[in-house]
Amino acid sequence: GAGVSQSPRYKVAKRGQDVALRCDPISGHVSLFWYQQALGQGPEFLTYFQNEAQLDKSGLPSDRFFAERPEGSVSTLKIQRTQQEDSAVYLCASTLGGWETQYFGPGTRLLVL
Amino acid sequence: GDSVTQMEGPVTLSEEAFLTINCTYTATGYPSLFWYVQYPGEGLQLLLKATKADDKGSNKGFEATYRKETTSFHLEKGSVQVSDSAVYFCALSDQGNTGFQKLVFGTGTRLLVSP
Repeated sequence: GAGVSQSPRYKVAKRGQDVALRCDPISGHVSLFWYQQALGQGPEFLTYFQNEAQLDKSGLPSDRFFAERPEGSVSTLKIQRTQQEDSAVYLCASTLGGWETQYFGPGTRLLVL
Repeated sequence: GDSVTQMEGPVTLSEEAFLTINCTYTATGYPSLFWYVQYPGEGLQLLLKATKADDKGSNKGFEATYRKETTSFHLEKGSVQVSDSAVYFCALSDQGNTGFQKLVFGTGTRLLVSP
């Protein structure tokens, strides 16, 4: 069946631009996670949704980062006024429940110039 | 806070060689431990896991044992194949009162297997 999909796969932004990254989880998956993976590093937790509720956003690095999942399915990670340090791969994962195995998407590679 | 340390790569091996990738962790509670693999051009996939001390996770010929006394979860395989070339991530999940599996990852170890 279809896995987690993310779009766009690659995004180049000029510093100061706003970007929106999309995640389509596996159908029926209740939980959704966002991670940030800097070059040469492991993924770092950003935020967690259970259905449409954002239950944990402790990993968002600044108030320029905003995530939503209004209908409990597709999620969007928005970064306002992008900075060079935002350059990273942004990973999305979904699960049936909060403690189940996380299924990861291929990621969106963001490059801020 | 919780953290994971794994050996730096790349690890370069010939086909059929024995593989060990070291992983140690620091955690205040009793975490679950995981190995994830990322093949070129693909997303992270769970390779194996262990949820309590002395548990052994295994999959596709890979094994790792949860060693509480040494806070380690080393990944091993007896005979690697070219198709095992990938980046391997050790991770733990905080089993506190978060209500979900909050993963903490190591920096990853690239494995390159030559024919």
